[in-house]
Amino acid sequence: QKEVEQNSGPLSVPEGAIASLNCTYSDRGSQSFFWYRQYSGKSPELIMFIYSNGDKEDGRFTAQLNKASQYVSLLIRDSQPSDSATYLCAVSRQLIWGAGTKLIIKP
Amino acid sequence: EAQVTQNPRYLITVTGKKLTVTCSQNMNHEYMSWYRQDPGLGLRQIYYSMNVEVTDKGDVPEGYKVSRKEKRNFPLILESPSPNQTSLYFCASSSTGWGYTFGSGTRLTVV
Repeated sequence: QKEVEQNSGPLSVPEGAIASLNCTYSDRGSQSFFWYRQYSGKSPELIMFIYSNGDKEDGRFTAQLNKASQYVSLLIRDSQPSDSATYLCAVSRQLIWGAGTKLIIKP
Repeated sequence: EAQVTQNPRYLITVTGKKLTVTCSQNMNHEYMSWYRQDPGLGLRQIYYSMNVEVTDKGDVPEGYKVSRKEKRNFPLILESPSPNQTSLYFCASSSTGWGYTFGSGTRLTVV
């Protein structure tokens, strides 16, 4: 059974700080990793994807992948209240989903 | 505007009454997929399609049917809905199968 694990939270972070979201996966052969953001009552939207070990940066967002340790993380710098949402990790092309981490940015 | 359109947004129905949730995309995407989302369980794939007339089961296909007669449409059919199919449903599409665009969702309640 392929699994993707995320801490359900909520993770509370002060405005302006760095929010760190983590995801672990069980299938060592996984090649692609996705982060989606889902606002309450809305549909998921893709914010980042990463295929290679290391860091990938896009604006305030950085995805980090460590295949040896089987984890992928998402860092959000200069957190804003508008970043408050549930962040979903998905692994591989077949999209095996974690249950999501609820992030709350406190002004 | 590029989008995935689902209808209806909200639906309350009774056990056993056949229903169809429509999904249409205007991006000429080959890949389409249906998910259900339940609290604490995350997104679970029901069915997916890689092209016209090509569909396959996801993780939770029981009680659902799909068809892909045209590239843009991928309806989800519940032949005999039961209360355990009460959920939030999402349709999604992708050009490559790597990153998906989601519809707005359909909240289904079966009583």
